[in-house]
Amino acid sequence: NAGVTQTPKFQVLKTGQSMTLQCAQDMNHEYMSWYRQDPGMGLRLIHYSVGAGITDQGEVPNGYNVSRSTTEDFPLRLLSAAPSQTSVYFCASTQDRGLGNTIYFGEGSWLTVV
Amino acid sequence: AQSVAQPEDQVNVAEGNPLTVKCTYSVSGNPYLFWYVQYPNRGLQFLLKYITGDNLVKGSYGFEAEFNKSQTSFHLKKPSALVSDSALYFCAVSHASGGSYIPTFGRGTSLIVHP
Repeated sequence: NAGVTQTPKFQVLKTGQSMTLQCAQDMNHEYMSWYRQDPGMGLRLIHYSVGAGITDQGEVPNGYNVSRSTTEDFPLRLLSAAPSQTSVYFCASTQDRGLGNTIYFGEGSWLTVV
Repeated sequence: AQSVAQPEDQVNVAEGNPLTVKCTYSVSGNPYLFWYVQYPNRGLQFLLKYITGDNLVKGSYGFEAEFNKSQTSFHLKKPSALVSDSALYFCAVSHASGGSYIPTFGRGTSLIVHP
């Protein structure tokens, strides 16, 4: 099983450039989300989606866009990269809105903005 | 507001000794509590969870966690640590916000097991 697949694994961007982090899951999960991980900050929620066509903001949404056109895919777009967006990004999915559901994470995308 | 605290940034333990990684939480209503582990340069992996029932929850790789409602804690434990247990551990609590599932994660605790 592939689970949650993220690409690219590593990326270096120049300030002001845009890019898209891709995320796909093959578990038919309704709920998908994007987190960023920074030293000493833990995981912070950027955006999430409870189903195709539905997205909402998390704790730190500024500078990021998402869309959910299919159940499988949930790309994260950086509109105009800034050094503050240097981080490790994780895509995650869970079956549905059930509070006891396990979260499945991708392997992460390491992004450096110079 | 819901929150999770992991009071220790780092825990050091000798191989073969018992280990404890602490977690306390604050949530309205019944908590749904989780532990995840992150090995270097990898994504987070599920270890165990508490939803209801027995306060002692057993999970993967010999780990267990004890739910204590009066102390609002959910500490992760293992009777005998292995060097391969060295990793970053995250506690998380689930709560409902506007009908959506919003988990809150702690900041993580780095576990270092010395040979």
